[in-house]
Amino acid sequence: DGGITQSPKYLFRKEGQNVTLSCEQNLNHDAMYWYRQDPGQGLRLIYYSQIVNDFQKGDIAEGYSVSREKKESFPLTVTSAQKNPTAFYLCAIQGPGNTIYFGEGSWLTVV
Amino acid sequence: QQQVKQSPQSLIVQKGGIPIINCAYENTAFDYFPWYQQFPGKGPALLIAIRPDVSEKKEGRFTISFNKSAKQFSLHIMDSQPGDSATYFCAARISGNTPLVFGKGTRLSVIA
Repeated sequence: DGGITQSPKYLFRKEGQNVTLSCEQNLNHDAMYWYRQDPGQGLRLIYYSQIVNDFQKGDIAEGYSVSREKKESFPLTVTSAQKNPTAFYLCAIQGPGNTIYFGEGSWLTVV
Repeated sequence: QQQVKQSPQSLIVQKGGIPIINCAYENTAFDYFPWYQQFPGKGPALLIAIRPDVSEKKEGRFTISFNKSAKQFSLHIMDSQPGDSATYFCAARISGNTPLVFGKGTRLSVIA
């Protein structure tokens, strides 16, 4: 969706390094989500935020952290505590009604 | 536990065929059931969605059938085309600012 921007598209992480994935939206929506996608596993929820300065853990929050200081931004940090971070990361926002839109995703690879 | 179970994991159909993908859910509080289509390297895109107060919804060649008593819903793709080859995810949620719960996906291949 054109209103959600994820960056970078590709990111490489060295062992022991923290990296941050960016998610920005210009649609003025409150709820934002981070999902992780692995082959054959579907999409699993990492964190979500329903309002500025508030966020909740999802099913696989260990090794990740987030912040929501601004309505338009919901960055995800993959910390060194996440032992298997190689995956496709998807940010999503909730539009009108129940509609949830996804960004184009970010690929993270450990080198 | 897995709240939304999706099957089959993969599916191959001939062009013009009608692939059917099934999902079952456990939480009776779910009241919104979308289907997403995802092409390789892209984010999932909303395809069609249904609420439990209707048993069927059609949008173009895509139809959702919903069986509330059985807690099941399915996606049918009429006159399937090679361009429909993608991974399809069912999902469910409770209305409000709650997260979607996803099935594990079905990889569909439509061969000419």
